[in-house]
Amino acid sequence: EPEVTQTPSHQVTQMGQEVILRCVPISNHLYFYWYRQILGQKVEFLVSFYNNEISEKSEIFDDQFSVERPDGSNFTLKIRSTKLEDSAMYFCASETDSSSYEQYFGPGTRLTVT
Amino acid sequence: AQSVTQLDSQVPVFEEAPVELRCNYSSSVSVYLFWYVQYPNQGLQLLLKYLSGSTLVKGINGFEAEFNKSQTSFHLRKPSVHISDTAEYFCAVTRLTGGGNKLTFGTGTQLKVEL
Repeated sequence: EPEVTQTPSHQVTQMGQEVILRCVPISNHLYFYWYRQILGQKVEFLVSFYNNEISEKSEIFDDQFSVERPDGSNFTLKIRSTKLEDSAMYFCASETDSSSYEQYFGPGTRLTVT
Repeated sequence: AQSVTQLDSQVPVFEEAPVELRCNYSSSVSVYLFWYVQYPNQGLQLLLKYLSGSTLVKGINGFEAEFNKSQTSFHLRKPSVHISDTAEYFCAVTRLTGGGNKLTFGTGTQLKVEL
């Protein structure tokens, strides 16, 4: 069964460093998402992406964040200058189209900022 | 804006007993409703969804949920749980608009099934 994959599973970085989290969505899916879950808190929406552009973003998704689909298979989340409060589990999700209402989630990348 | 409340952070239950995980939502617009399950060290997996039609929806692994518009609830039930159902369960909503489907999640309920 096709699945969403994410790399790395765990990333440790120092405050102020740039990180890129990578996701490979399911191949025929058209909508892509990033969510994050700070330890002990709820899963929060960050951004949705369709047709090579952001379709919606949350207040969390400020200028420090960016997303890209560089090669038609990967979907990346970049954090330009990490802060301690960026430490969280980051989930990528993909969806066939907006009418399916079935998002498939990856296993997540645990980001630890020290 | 939408919000989801899962009042129970943890629910312990014995194997083969029934279980109900509660979810209430708040929204000024119509929403679709979902339950996701997260097993340890895995991503979220869709259990079931309510889009329209019958208010009782059946999902995978023997789970079902009932949409109650007047009470703005979408409680998840299983008549007989198994040890393998031990996981975190998240209720979520999305509004009915075009474009992407931003999910708003509750805080989750940890279901612990004991022998």
